[in-house]
Amino acid sequence: KAGVTQTPRYLIKTRGQQVTLSCSPISGHRSVSWYQQTPGQGLQFLFEYFSETQRNKGNFPGRFSGRQFSNSRSEMNVSTLELGDSALYLCASSGTGGLQETQYFGPGTRLLVL
Amino acid sequence: QKEVEQDPGPLSVPEGAIVSLNCTYSNSAFQYFMWYRQYSRKGPELLMYTYSSGNKEDGRFTAQVDKSSKYISLFIRDSQPSDSATYLCAMGSTSGTYKYIFGTGTRLKVLA
Repeated sequence: KAGVTQTPRYLIKTRGQQVTLSCSPISGHRSVSWYQQTPGQGLQFLFEYFSETQRNKGNFPGRFSGRQFSNSRSEMNVSTLELGDSALYLCASSGTGGLQETQYFGPGTRLLVL
Repeated sequence: QKEVEQDPGPLSVPEGAIVSLNCTYSNSAFQYFMWYRQYSRKGPELLMYTYSSGNKEDGRFTAQVDKSSKYISLFIRDSQPSDSATYLCAMGSTSGTYKYIFGTGTRLKVLA
């Protein structure tokens, strides 16, 4: 089975721009979660999508949004980029998103905001 | 105070040593406890998963959960240079908004 894939792997943007990141989960997985990873804060939960609906949301501003398509692929959008948005963005997929399930992480998209 | 505290390291040990990695937490509602390993430029991968208190062993890895002290540990026996990575603890609860709370990770370097 192919693992979780994320595109692009690297991005450089400038302040004020917007960015869209993509995540393709493992085939058959319906839950996709997004995380932001920075050296100071570690891994922080952004949101989770299941069957095209946002099921959980972390404590991030409204500039961070996402969506999920009928094939479970998910996109994350950040508008009006700030320098502090520079981070590794990870997505993780699991079957149904239950806490007893293993989350499989993608390699991440490294975003640099200048 | 963060919900989950983890010493960032780095922790350097000689090959063959026993490594102890730890996390403390403040939310007594956490029921699910996980350890992830993250190599440079890769996403985290699940190493150990424990529900509630107790010990769990898998090969050279042992996970311990002490809910009374709000403390979890990961032990690595006979450490190898290939164990050099960042180790993240994570905790989950069926209550609350967030499903998983991660520690900031401990960088481990095993010297050959």
